Amino acid sequence: EADIYQTPRYLVIGTGKKITLECSQTMGHDKMYWYQQDPGMELHLIHYSYGVNSTEKGDLSSESTVSRIRTEHFPLTLESARPSHTSQYLCASSGWGLETQYFGPGTRLLVL
Amino acid sequence: AQTVTQSQPEMSVQEAETVTLSCTYDTSESDYYLFWYKQPPSRQMILVIRQEAYKQQNATENRFSVNFQKAAKSFSLKISDSQLGDAAMYFCASFSNDYKLSFGAGTTVTVRA
Repeated sequence: EADIYQTPRYLVIGTGKKITLECSQTMGHDKMYWYQQDPGMELHLIHYSYGVNSTEKGDLSSESTVSRIRTEHFPLTLESARPSHTSQYLCASSGWGLETQYFGPGTRLLVL
Repeated sequence: AQTVTQSQPEMSVQEAETVTLSCTYDTSESDYYLFWYKQPPSRQMILVIRQEAYKQQNATENRFSVNFQKAAKSFSLKISDSQLGDAAMYFCASFSNDYKLSFGAGTTVTVRA
């Protein structure tokens, strides 16, 4: 089973600030994903990566950006946070030929 | 993108009893995978069970089992001998060939002591 970590777990920040949500996994998984989830609602895929230097936008449009410079690391950045970005952000990863995605604990973001 | 439908927003079950959560999906692919994830109040998504579409045998993991009806595109989850720790939101998900998961809207399960 994958070990996948997200920091911070909780973040309260003011409008206009730049933030980076960190996600890292220690299992060497090539595929990584970011989901956005409002409380009690379904998950929406906002970004994914099939490997180093590969990034794609997901099904839900997002103002955030991602990078994949190292296999184990998949950070998400918001250049200028807004209250509409308040949500939970979940990171996941899966290995080559394996379809199961393993999730991190999530980051709860509140933008004031 | 695949479509996953969970028609039960909430379900309640007495401790030690059985509850069944329904899920239907829509896919044009012949080979795919289906999953049930659990999200407790801590909000971390935990894999409960997975089913390969090419397998006729229903998957089972301890007290959790599925009823996979491929022709009907139905994938229900049965929780037997329900425990207080089973209280959570349960999501059904399907996996497509582009390595993306499509999630249903979720079913909140409440366990009564």
